[in-house]
Order: sequence, then C-alpha cells, then structure tokens
Amino acid sequence: EIVLTQSPGTLSLSPGERATLSCRASQTISTSYLAWYQQKPGQAPRLLIYGASSRATGIPDRFSGSGSGTDFTLTISRLEPEDFAVYYCQRYGSSATFGGGTKVEIK
Amino acid sequence: QVQLVQSGAEVQKPGASVKVSCKASGYTFTRYYMHWVRQAPGQGLEWMGIINPSNGNTRYAQKFQGRVTMTRDTSTNTVYMELSSLRSDDTAVYYCARDRLAGDYPLWHFDLWGRGTLVTVSS
Repeated sequence: EIVLTQSPGTLSLSPGERATLSCRASQTISTSYLAWYQQKPGQAPRLLIYGASSRATGIPDRFSGSGSGTDFTLTISRLEPEDFAVYYCQRYGSSATFGGGTKVEIK
Repeated sequence: QVQLVQSGAEVQKPGASVKVSCKASGYTFTRYYMHWVRQAPGQGLEWMGIINPSNGNTRYAQKFQGRVTMTRDTSTNTVYMELSSLRSDDTAVYYCARDRLAGDYPLWHFDLWGRGTLVTVSS
C-alpha cells in the first residue's frame, strides 16, 4: 500500500506570503493520480487540485500543484486570510489514500 | 441545488451497528460513484469504500471488510453506510463524497461532500 507523507506538519506564515506544501509517496504514483484538498474546522474537505496540477472548478489561480512520481507540491502563491486551513494530499486510482495533512496557520 | 444531505449525529454502544444515510439532490444520482470517508477527532481522512449507485456494486477498504456495508436506494437517491461491531476507535465524522465526474468508471477523487455525520461510540 502506498503511504503518503506530508511535510511540514505545520506551516506558520503571514497573509501575503507564499506557502509550499510537500507530499511524498512511498512508491511511484502512476499517471499523476494525486489530489489536494483544503479543510477548515468543522467543514468537509474541498477539492483543490486533481491530476497533480489541474485546478478544480472554482479554485483561485493562487493555488497550483506540481510534481510527479513520488514527489508532489501544493503552492499557494499569496496567502489570503481564508487560506489558513489544513491541507491533505490524496493518492487515487483504484482506491484512495490520504496523507496526514499540513496545517497552515497564521504567524 | 447540487448537494449531499447526511443523517444526524448518532451515539452507539460498543458492539452495536450504525447506519448513516446520504441523500443526493440536484444531479443524476445513478451517474456518479459515491464514496465514504471518515475522520476521527483531530485526525486525518480515511477512505472506507465506494458504491456504484447505478448497480449497487461496492468495494471496501481492506480495513473495513466484513464490518461495512454500503447500499443505495434509487427511489430516494440515497446511499447508506452501515458499520457493525462498533468500537471506541470508530468514533469519527463520516462523510459521503461524490466522484468529480459522471462516468462508467470511478475517478476516486471527490468534488462534492456531505457535511458529515458524527458517530460516537461510547458505553
């Protein structure tokens, strides 16, 4: 089973700064079947990115995904106040596995 | 509008079963695979299984094999997730989540989520 490791566990940044979140897989993820979700307290997750780099409907272009193989990155170019949340990566294809999450908090 | 409405919070005793419902509206129910994902308090997300609302076919995560049953009712556009032999570590919020696109094959990533159902297992 593929294990996803997200780092850092917590990222402390100020609004306007750039956030770089990492997701590393224990084995190669074929065809870039990698998604990213945002979750705020008390809410369901929201799909941000699928296929490693495609933005989901309605997602602002400050969110971008990149990577392939075993190393994937979610970048938020300039943090808005509403972007402080927990972010999960997910490997998919014949089942679904999530990473442990990265919390982006206000510094 | 397009939405998934889940049933309310449940409190169950260890060893009991719980059945959570998820009613879909605003789209063609049978065209989108549906998944169940759970989240223990303060923890991450855990995929439990998938159901094809068109024919009722299911696939479960190995961890839940033998304890989980997912069904659907096409007359009410509702999917159900029943978890049996409950333990304290089954305490979690249970989400239904829809595949991003309609199709004959699942995409395994989710663009529409219910608000979640808190299941508490306590004696």
